[in-house]
Amino acid sequence: NAGVTQTPKFRVLKTGQSMTLLCAQDMNHEYMYWYRQDPGMGLRLIHYSVGEGTTAKGEVPDGYNVSRLKKQNFLLGLESAAPSQTSVYFCASSPGHPPVGYTFGSGTRLTVV
Amino acid sequence: ELKVEQNPLFLSMQEGKNYTIYCNYSTTSDRLYWYRQDPGKSLESLFVLLSNGAVKQEGRLMASLDTKARLSTLHITAAVHDLSATYFCAGSNTDKLIFGTGTRLQVFP
Repeated sequence: NAGVTQTPKFRVLKTGQSMTLLCAQDMNHEYMYWYRQDPGMGLRLIHYSVGEGTTAKGEVPDGYNVSRLKKQNFLLGLESAAPSQTSVYFCASSPGHPPVGYTFGSGTRLTVV
Repeated sequence: ELKVEQNPLFLSMQEGKNYTIYCNYSTTSDRLYWYRQDPGKSLESLFVLLSNGAVKQEGRLMASLDTKARLSTLHITAAVHDLSATYFCAGSNTDKLIFGTGTRLQVFP
């Protein structure tokens, strides 16, 4: 089925460990986004990309890095995980801007202990 | 910088009642979006409001946009249990969506 696929769905990390979250879309969308969702804070934008090879900072970029080497993939990296990064991470994509709407992935629940 | 505020944050309402969720935004937004999220699930698009005065309806939900007041509302008519979820509004500005904090709606008998 067409859409946005996030891997992994769940992960537990120890403080200081690193990991990469993968977002893949098969809709040929130009724009891709990473958000984090925390209770009472809605969704906050971490980083986004407006095309292959581009990235930009969102509202809460510190502690994260991203790469968009291929149009269909958007990677979110945590170099040294901290408990404050415990969250649910959502990837989304859009064909352009302003978006007619985003297509969201199913989310990755990350716990840092 | 675009900021989006929703209220209330939590809404407990009886079946059959009407209520409104408010979404204020701080600067110009290209469009205004409403999403629904069920517990443990992803976000589902409900409405996209394109211009001042826009009104869209789907079942018991109706969304409107007043760009002069920088206000969007999501009106719930005769609530039913199936509407229990968290509702988010989002504004669009320079290549990205900025979300409000969400309104958790709980409908009880």
